[in-house]
Amino acid sequence: DIQLTQSPSFLSASVGDRVTITCRASQVISNYLAWYQQKPGKAPTLLIYTASTLQSGVPSRFSGGGSGTEFALTISSLQPEDFATYYCQQLKTYPRTFGQGTKLEIK
Amino acid sequence: DVQLLESGGGLVQPGGSLRLSCEASDFDFGSYGMTWVRQAPGKGLEWVSSLTGGGGAAYYADSVKGRFTISRDNSKKTLYLQMDSLRLEDTAIYYCVKVDYMSGWFGPVAFDYWGQGTLVAVSS
Repeated sequence: DIQLTQSPSFLSASVGDRVTITCRASQVISNYLAWYQQKPGKAPTLLIYTASTLQSGVPSRFSGGGSGTEFALTISSLQPEDFATYYCQQLKTYPRTFGQGTKLEIK
Repeated sequence: DVQLLESGGGLVQPGGSLRLSCEASDFDFGSYGMTWVRQAPGKGLEWVSSLTGGGGAAYYADSVKGRFTISRDNSKKTLYLQMDSLRLEDTAIYYCVKVDYMSGWFGPVAFDYWGQGTLVAVSS
């Protein structure tokens, strides 16, 4: 199975900050990587797919990059509604594994 | 807009069974693979099972293989998850998820729409 390791697991930041979350895969997954945002009590929502394609309706302050085994999600200027938990996921092979999550909290 | 509405969750004893349903609307259901993802209380996301659009190929996490069965009825636009021999560790919110594809890419590239989830609680 492909393991995905996100770092950091917890991140404290302020409104307006630029933050980056990384996701490392245990094997090459090309660009079969997606990022999701989940707010408390809600279902996850898709932010980015194929490592860098922004899902329709997602603000442009979100961006994704990387390929192979190293990927990153960047939020260019944090807004109050961005404080949530973020997950990466690989769709290269089964099982479709997720990273452990990164909880982004207000400093 | 795409809607996915899960039902069938509830409280069940260890060793018991439940069948989850997911009614889909506002997209060509039979043309898309569908997936179940679960989330135990306070934990992360865990992929459970996926089924291709025509129902010809199913995939399972090792943790549920042999106990859970995914199926679909495209005429009813409904996805199912039959859960047998339930264990305490199956306690979770179960999400029904639509998969998405992209021209030029092999296989799904994202889980683009999620239902609101249904809670399965396994307890004696």
